[in-house]
Amino acid sequence: KAGVTQTPRYLIKTRGQQVTLSCSPISGHRSVSWYQQTPGQGLQFLFEYFSETQRNKGNFPGRFSGRQFSNSRSEMNVSTLELGDSALYLCASSSNGNLNTEAFFGQGTRLTVV
Amino acid sequence: AQSVTQLGSHVSVSEGALVLLRCNYSSSVPPYLFWYVQYPNQGLQLLLKYTTGATLVKGINGFEAEFKKSETSFHLTKPSAHMSDAAEYFCAVSDRIFGNEKLTFGTGTRLTIIP
Repeated sequence: KAGVTQTPRYLIKTRGQQVTLSCSPISGHRSVSWYQQTPGQGLQFLFEYFSETQRNKGNFPGRFSGRQFSNSRSEMNVSTLELGDSALYLCASSSNGNLNTEAFFGQGTRLTVV
Repeated sequence: AQSVTQLGSHVSVSEGALVLLRCNYSSSVPPYLFWYVQYPNQGLQLLLKYTTGATLVKGINGFEAEFKKSETSFHLTKPSAHMSDAAEYFCAVSDRIFGNEKLTFGTGTRLTIIP
């Protein structure tokens, strides 16, 4: 069974640009969550999608957005990039988004904003 | 609001020695509790979780943790450290509210194993 796949693994962008990151969950999983990991702030919850609906959102500005497709694949978008957006972005999938079931993480996309 | 405190951002132990990583949580409702491990340039892997039932939870790679409600703690232990245990460890908490199961992570503990 394939794991959670995040693409691309590495990305370099310039301030002011926008970026789209992709996450393909484990087959059959309907919930996808996104987290930002930085040395200063640690791991912070961005948002969670379940069956194409955003079910939960963290405390991030509106520049951070996401969506989920009918096949459960998810994308997150960051517009007007700032230097502080440099981070490892992790996606996690679970079967129904209930943490009584395990959440599986991808390897992440490392975004560097210059 | 939930929060997690991991005492000690860096812990070093000798190979074969006891590993003890500390985690205290704050939650307004009985929480779900988790320990994750992260190896360099990798995502997070679940070591173990407490949701309900037995308070001593056994996980992968010989790790275990005990949920102590009175102490609001969920410390991670392993009787004998291996070199392969060197990694960063994160404790996390989640409310037991369906549809709001986001994870709140601690700041992590980097474990170094001394040969």
